[in-house]
Amino acid sequence: NAGVMQNPRHLVRRRGQEARLRCSPMKGHSHVYWYRQLPEEGLKFMVYLQKENIIDESGMPKERFSAEFPKEGPSILRIQQVVRGDSAAYFCASSRRGVNYGYTFGSGTRLTVV
Amino acid sequence: AQKVTQAQTEISVVEKEDVTLDCVYETRDTTYYLFWYKQPPSGELVFLIRRNSFDEQNEISGRYSWNFQKSTSSFNFTITASQVVDSAVYFCALSEASGTYKYIFGTGTRLKVLA
Repeated sequence: NAGVMQNPRHLVRRRGQEARLRCSPMKGHSHVYWYRQLPEEGLKFMVYLQKENIIDESGMPKERFSAEFPKEGPSILRIQQVVRGDSAAYFCASSRRGVNYGYTFGSGTRLTVV
Repeated sequence: AQKVTQAQTEISVVEKEDVTLDCVYETRDTTYYLFWYKQPPSGELVFLIRRNSFDEQNEISGRYSWNFQKSTSSFNFTITASQVVDSAVYFCALSEASGTYKYIFGTGTRLKVLA
């Protein structure tokens, strides 16, 4: 039973390009959560999605960031027109429903903007 | 407001020493959950433990132990007889019953275990 799969592991983008980060949840999981870890900081909640629905995007920057979790396929975190400050590790977790039993995170995608 | 404080930014110990990582939290909820995660140099996040607010029993798992004290809002983590493989950044996190999917992470403690 594969865990949460994120790809790519490392992504380098030039300023102004778009970044697409993918997250495939564990089998049977229909809830996905994205967190961002800026250098030397803890993780911060970005967005919570269920299949075809955004439940809570209170942690998402207002501009350039979007997320989706389609009926088929992985969840996508999309960052348009990336800037140096977007350089971070982006982690995804999944669950069947509430996660008070503890997230299993994917291995993360490390985005570097040059 | 919810908050998790890990005051120790970095700790260095010599192998076989015991080390305690501190975690202090703030919450207004009476029902909440506390977690510890390990982030080794490879970067992934490894779940270590979950504790709910109604269970103040301390827990031991091999060389790891956790001390939960509601009176001081602390959830400290001790590694006994540390090993080089314990070198990592350790994060404490809080989730409240009113928003269980939204974890509040501390800034982490970097542990270096020297051979």
